[in-house]
Amino acid sequence: DSGVTQTPKHLITATGQRVTLRCSPRSGDLSVYWYQQSLDQGLQFLIQYYNGEERAKGNILERFSAQQFPDLHSELNLSSLELGDSALYFCASSVSPGPNQPQHFGDGTRLSIL
Amino acid sequence: GNSVTQMEGPVTLSEEAFLTINCTYTATGYPSLFWYVQYPGEGLQLLLKATKADDKGSNKGFEATYRKETTSFHLEKGSVQVSDSAVYFCALSLGAGGTSYGKLTFGQGTILTVHP
Repeated sequence: DSGVTQTPKHLITATGQRVTLRCSPRSGDLSVYWYQQSLDQGLQFLIQYYNGEERAKGNILERFSAQQFPDLHSELNLSSLELGDSALYFCASSVSPGPNQPQHFGDGTRLSIL
Repeated sequence: GNSVTQMEGPVTLSEEAFLTINCTYTATGYPSLFWYVQYPGEGLQLLLKATKADDKGSNKGFEATYRKETTSFHLEKGSVQVSDSAVYFCALSLGAGGTSYGKLTFGQGTILTVHP
């Protein structure tokens, strides 16, 4: 158990819809990362927050947004969903941002777009 | 840009065989290097890491050495077990500056299957 909690585990929805994925980081971790895992793109970094502030952005679509709340949990919002958004979305957390800090991953949310 | 290339998979071995999974990287600057493992239905777990040239990371019988001259971080294990069957990801992370700080850049993953 990594200590990172992601909900829901599975999400099935239709094109054009909007969903929210939730992540609770490990106790004591201030930094949260979101990654997308798909068969064609592999594991891709989306966005990073540290203590409530956005720190780094990757290949995140404009239809996607995220935030980290004062209690340090984070939400990833995906809107105007397309078939290609079907993927496994992982949240990871670390004590602080930085290249030497190990990131602890949740079990992911599997998003299926019908 | 920064990238990680892993050997093509899948890799199929018999129990107690020697394992090598090749990983090479391209990076601007001096990255930290990681191996993560993903078991079926689970998230990624950190297996080992190395933060500077010639460092050797090790854990659970797995080892990898940070080779700056060949930009490589190959994963090895002397005797694999059935329980090692999983997907293995090589990754890098860079230091301060720009938009790269702390994020992990992953290789494509290598599926390992170990038969009894």
